[in-house]
Amino acid sequence: DVKVTQSSRYLVKRTGEKVFLECVQDMDHENMFWYRQDPGLGLRLIYFSYDVKMKEKGDIPEGYSVSREKKERFSLILESASTNQTSMYLCASLDRLAMQPQHFGDGTRLSIL
Amino acid sequence: SQQGEEDPQALSIQEGENATMNCSYKTSINNLQWYRQNSGRGLVHLILIRSNEREKHSGRLRVTLDTSKKSSSLLITASRAADTASYFCATDGKGGSYIPTFGRGTSLIVHP
Repeated sequence: DVKVTQSSRYLVKRTGEKVFLECVQDMDHENMFWYRQDPGLGLRLIYFSYDVKMKEKGDIPEGYSVSREKKERFSLILESASTNQTSMYLCASLDRLAMQPQHFGDGTRLSIL
Repeated sequence: SQQGEEDPQALSIQEGENATMNCSYKTSINNLQWYRQNSGRGLVHLILIRSNEREKHSGRLRVTLDTSKKSSSLLITASRAADTASYFCATDGKGGSYIPTFGRGTSLIVHP
């Protein structure tokens, strides 16, 4: 079974801090994704990566950056955290072979105070 | 922006009843997927249906797809309290992109 592991289930940070959310997958998937999930808004794509060192903006990239130095690891960075970035963050990976489902981590609930 | 939209937003039923959730989408797709999310957890893939399929079954789940109406439904038969979760449909991204686009989800509560 594919396992996607997010480093923290819960995280509390202060405004202005630089925040790192880490995600690791163990199935050699080319594609990895970061979403945020807010009540009533569903999942919104922040960034995705289709290969090492490659990244593409999703629907809501503002205030975020990402890093993919190794195939198995995809990091989401909040350069200067703000309260409106309080949310549930979900990481996913995907084998690019056609018709494959995404595999999700358990999420990180991030609170910015 | 969302491609798929689930309906209803919330559904409350008794154990043993059937639960039906619908998903409508806007542009042509190659496939549609349903996911489940337990409270505070990540999404788990349930079933994938291709655009040339009309119906698919997996255990107590039945998914239909009507490409002419750009809609899909997820039926959970003989529901259990453990089916309480949010359910999301996901379609191909715009222009045939392989990146799934998710709806806002249906919150299902099954009362024991």
